[in-house]
This record gives sequence, C-alpha cells and structure tokens, in this order.
Amino acid sequence: QQQVKQSPQSLIVQKGGISIINCAYENTAFDYFPWYQQFPGKGPALLIAIRPDVSEKKEGRFTISFNKSAKQFSLHIMDSQPGDSATYFCAARKPGNMLTFGGGTRLMVKP
Amino acid sequence: KAGVTQTPRYLIKTRGQQVTLSCSPISGHRSVSWYQQTPGQGLQFLFEYFSETQRNKGNFPGRFSGRQFSNSRSEMNVSTLELGDSALYLCASSLEGGNSPLHFGNGTRLTVT
Repeated sequence: QQQVKQSPQSLIVQKGGISIINCAYENTAFDYFPWYQQFPGKGPALLIAIRPDVSEKKEGRFTISFNKSAKQFSLHIMDSQPGDSATYFCAARKPGNMLTFGGGTRLMVKP
Repeated sequence: KAGVTQTPRYLIKTRGQQVTLSCSPISGHRSVSWYQQTPGQGLQFLFEYFSETQRNKGNFPGRFSGRQFSNSRSEMNVSTLELGDSALYLCASSLEGGNSPLHFGNGTRLTVT
C-alpha cells in the first residue's frame, strides 16, 4: 500500500519559472512532512519541512503548501534555476522516526 | 560539523555472500536509521536504532539486520545476498528521533552478481 503518492514523476521547467510538485497521503497519524532533494551520486538532502498545524512555510525560493483536510501538500520552487535540476522526494513521518517517501519527481530546469 | 559518513561507497558481492555496511552519524546524533533505495521500490525504511536499541523496523526479511554501538555508530548486515538486494543503502541520523530532522549520508552502492 503506497501511503504517500507523489506527482508528477518528471517535470521540465524553463529557467525562471515555477516548479510545482504534489504529494498526497493517506495516514492521518503522519505529523511531519519533509521534502528532500537528491543529486546523482548523493544522498537525499533535507530542503524544507512542515507540520500539519501550519498551512504554508517558505524558505528562500522554496515553499511548502499544506492542506490538512485534503491530506495533500506541495512544494513550489520559485524562479527555478538549472542548478535546481535534481530528484525531489516528499515524505511523511508518524510519531517515531520512520519516514515514508513518495516515489520522487525528476526535475529538469532548462536554461 | 561533518555529515553522515558511510563506508564503503561501493561494494560488489556474489549471491549467497554476506555484507556489512558502516555508518558514522553526525556528532551528537543518537538516532540512526537505514533506508534502501532502488529504482523500482524507491526509498524504503529498513530500521532505526537509538541508544543501541532497535526502535523501529521496516518490512524486510530477517536477512537484514543492524546494530548500534555506544558511540552511536551503526552497522547493517545483509546475509545470504540475493540479486534483488542490489541497491543504494542510505544511513540517516538525527539528534533524538521523533521530532528532529533526518540527515542522510551519500550511501553505499551494493551490487550483487
């Protein structure tokens, strides 16, 4: 059972555009929702995270929007740059320390 | 601060063999988790250790095991390797688990032939 569904699988955006990645979850016990960025040959790096009592969190060009009633959350990358080209993973964590990951989105930002 | 360090970076093993992977967490971090990453199954949780005790376990067979030492360093072991065990094995550490962010190492790439 896939508890965190991520879309799209791949995304191409022009430089300066907005990249939007969506995730949906099923388990209401999840209480922490991080996003990770992974470059080839590297491990996932924590980008930004949100808790369900907050509807939006912004850090630089990265924003998480969270809709608790719809059990959905999304990552927006403003002013996307070629250096943002990577694979992005959403995740969800129940109390404890076990992350359930989405399937990943491969983002390509064209110059 | 140094990040999470995993050794070795690459491993090639033969079916039926066993393998041990090592992880040194960020200094001061007491929780260590292991994840398997494959193109087909994505990132999947293996287990988590905190203060030398396994606190959570994912849905993997008993061939996958781990341990944590008193200095928080951790090892995971896979016995009787199968071709399907070929994957990137990622270690992640956090301060205490539960409410603190997880930081990943760059992984060990295991290839089983």
